Amino acid sequence: QKEVEQNSGPLSVPEGAIASLNCTYSDRVSQSFFWYRQYSGKSPELIMSIYSNGDKEDGRFTAQLNKASQYVSLLIRDSQPSDSATYLCAVNTNDYKLSFGAGTTVTVRA
Amino acid sequence: DAGVTQSPTHLIKTRGQHVTLRCSPISGHKSVSWYQQVLGQGPQFIFQYYEKEERGRGNFPDRFSARQFPNYSSELNVNALLLGDSALYLCASSSGLAYNEQFFGPGTRLTVL
Repeated sequence: QKEVEQNSGPLSVPEGAIASLNCTYSDRVSQSFFWYRQYSGKSPELIMSIYSNGDKEDGRFTAQLNKASQYVSLLIRDSQPSDSATYLCAVNTNDYKLSFGAGTTVTVRA
Repeated sequence: DAGVTQSPTHLIKTRGQHVTLRCSPISGHKSVSWYQQVLGQGPQFIFQYYEKEERGRGNFPDRFSARQFPNYSSELNVNALLLGDSALYLCASSSGLAYNEQFFGPGTRLTVL
């Protein structure tokens, strides 16, 4: 079983719609959870961090964490063409190492 | 403040050679982590250094080694390069506190021919 799994893409959404990205993790003791955005040919950029159960909102992004279900999600509201990228879910499986999912590629159609 | 810097940006080597990649963390950060990302996959953890000590190592062969200097910059060394070592090598900077955020540099694209 992979440590971090993301829903397979690619995900295509029309401009202005909500993009929903899902991630599950295997290690129950994981403490911190991150979403990175990676444009083609570039390095990952941290867009959201979440540490407690519930929702965390930052602009058009909302991260949701459910530790009991070992589930993290990212919602992108009012999707824009500039949101077209690969989104990586990352989990701290101990206090120093990040484990990443394979990523979900999102395409926002104008 | 400058972000994480890495050098070189691109590198082409042949099988059997060795390579040294360099990274400078964000000012005030004491921890550097190295990751390898091959096309279509998420980054894979190689090493983390904190205060010049190795804190963790991923599932990579002994051909991979690293060190951290007193100014917190770091080097990743790879010996006896294989074709499969072709990847984007990412350096991540963090404060070093447990479970804290990691910020990536632009990466070094290594191609092994």
